[in-house]
Order: sequence, then structure tokens, then C-alpha cells
Amino acid sequence: EAGVVQSPRYKIIEKKQPVAFWCNPISGHNTLYWYLQNLGQGPELLIRYENEEAVDDSQLPKDRFSAERLKGVDSTLKIQPAELGDSAVYLCASSSPGLAGETGELFFGEGSRLTVL
Amino acid sequence: GEDVEQSLFLSVREGDSSVINCTYTDSSSTYLYWYKQEPGAGLQLLTYIFSNMDMKQDQRLTVLLNKKDKHLSLRIADTQTGDSAIYFCAETDSTGTASKLTFGTGTRLQVTL
Repeated sequence: EAGVVQSPRYKIIEKKQPVAFWCNPISGHNTLYWYLQNLGQGPELLIRYENEEAVDDSQLPKDRFSAERLKGVDSTLKIQPAELGDSAVYLCASSSPGLAGETGELFFGEGSRLTVL
Repeated sequence: GEDVEQSLFLSVREGDSSVINCTYTDSSSTYLYWYKQEPGAGLQLLTYIFSNMDMKQDQRLTVLLNKKDKHLSLRIADTQTGDSAIYFCAETDSTGTASKLTFGTGTRLQVTL
């Protein structure tokens, strides 16, 4: 079974440019998460989807960040315009509602490392 | 709000035991977790403990929970070089679902020969 797939793995852009990250969750996982991981820190939740609905986006900086999960499967996270402080790893994770409630197991992708120059 | 703290670095010799510690502040946490992150990879769940337990053992892993002191630890017996990674503890809130996980800052475990 394929895991959570993210692309691109690495992205280098200049500040003020736009950037987009893509995530394909594990098949059948209704819940999808985008996390931000700064260097030397733990992941911090940006947004959580239940199917196509964003049920928790309280930590998403909405002035420059946007996300979508149109058909309840793949998701994209966009930053426009990017700032120097956005340099980080953007992690996507997915879970099945039953498993998440019982074991707390989120399945993470390898992440997209963004460098803003 | 929730806050989860860990020491940043731990170095052990191969074959020794490793103990990674974590303190948390949300006394209503239902589940507490240990995740492992290898270089260039995402996080992977290692083990978890329900808040009404004080110990859980899973092969080389032993989790101890002290709810009074809000202290969680992960002991790895017979540490191997493949255990070198960053270890994150995480807690849920009182709802008990993984949708509200708060991660610690991570402890980098270095295993030397």
C-alpha cells in the first residue's frame, strides 16, 4: 500500500514568489492534515480536512496561505507571496477516523522542504 | 494552552538503554504518543499510552506516564544505531482524538559505537 505522497520534495524560491505543495493521502483516509515544521521544532497544525471540508484552519495564516481539497482526496497548499520566514518543511498527514480516535496514528508524508531566498 | 517540552539531544552507546523525557501541561490529555522521525522522512508512530495507564511495554520500548507530574518517558532497551532519529512526544486534548495533537520540540537521539 502506498503511503502519503508529497511533491515537490524540495523547492527554492525567491521571496514574494508563489509556491504550491501537493499531497496525495493514503487511499480511504478521510482526514488530511497540513503541518508546518520549522527547523528544530515539532510539527504545528496548519489545517485539517474531513473529506473536502476544512474543519480546523485556525492556525493557517489566511493572508498568504490557502489550501484546498476539492474532491476529498488530494490536497494542495499554496503560499502567495512567500516570505523569508516561510522557509520550513511542510508535512502532509492522513488518518482514518476510527484509527485516529483509537491510536492517534497519523501517517505522514516525507514533507516538502521550502527555502525562500 | 498546551505546551510539550523535551530535551534537545541525547547521546548513548550502542547496546545501552536510552531514556527520552517529556513534560506536558494539559492534564486533560487522553492519549500521549511517541513518534520517530528519521532524517529526511516524515514522522512515524512508535507507541502510545492511554492516560489511565502508568506503563506500557512493547518489545524494546517502555513508556512510563506520571500524570501527577505530567511527565512522560520513553525507554529504548539495547539501543541500536538504527534508533538514531528525532523522537517527538505528542498529546491530544480532552477530546482524545488525533485531530488535536500537540507535538513537543523533539529529542535528537545519537547512538554511538
